[in-house]
Amino acid sequence: DTGVSQNPRHKITKRGQNVTFRCDPISEHNRLYWYRQTLGQGPEFLTYFQNEAQLEKSRLLSDRFSAERPKGSFSTLEIQRTEQGDSAMYLCASSLDGRGAYPYGYTFGSGTRLTVV
Amino acid sequence: GENVEQHPSTLSVQEGDSAVIKCTYSDSASNYFPWYKQELGKRPQLIIDIRSNVGEKKDQRIAVTLNKTAKHFSLHITETQPEDSAVYFCAASGSGNTGKLIFGQGTTLQVKP
Repeated sequence: DTGVSQNPRHKITKRGQNVTFRCDPISEHNRLYWYRQTLGQGPEFLTYFQNEAQLEKSRLLSDRFSAERPKGSFSTLEIQRTEQGDSAMYLCASSLDGRGAYPYGYTFGSGTRLTVV
Repeated sequence: GENVEQHPSTLSVQEGDSAVIKCTYSDSASNYFPWYKQELGKRPQLIIDIRSNVGEKKDQRIAVTLNKTAKHFSLHITETQPEDSAVYFCAASGSGNTGKLIFGQGTTLQVKP
């Protein structure tokens, strides 16, 4: 297990098409996060899973976005009816449960760069 | 709402000099503050982090300080090297110990040889 793996690395799609990205976290990590990063900005939180349960979604996440983590292993992020404003780098990260009151740091994947034309 | 402000947006130093990047956060419940380094086209990588029960942490040339009262935290890099050139992001944990992070806007550090 060499880290967090994301596929595909790049995706170009036409506006209105659906796209799906996959994230394989570090195997012993039970927390999984999706972030979006646009050029010149910090990563922006989208959603979070604890095992298979999706526990938090950003208010920024429209109903065109859906994420799943069946069986608490890999996760998929689907964007329906893509818009040009969805063009960004989509980053996945995983971590262990926090110890006591404190979370652990993340390991990020290399991301999927989405371009909507 | 939750917010993290980071300054400066760009920083240029001579090799061997020190670099300081500062962040402020809005949520008083934040208790974990990591720093990430992102090289062009690569993933963000955790370089150092600090918990709210500690005021300072050091790892070789990198140190982080935290002032909970003022809701400030800073990254200090001493004896900078050209390979330190990258974008640096600070982050603060959101409430509820979910591990959710709120990131700053990033600082592009250039170390001139």
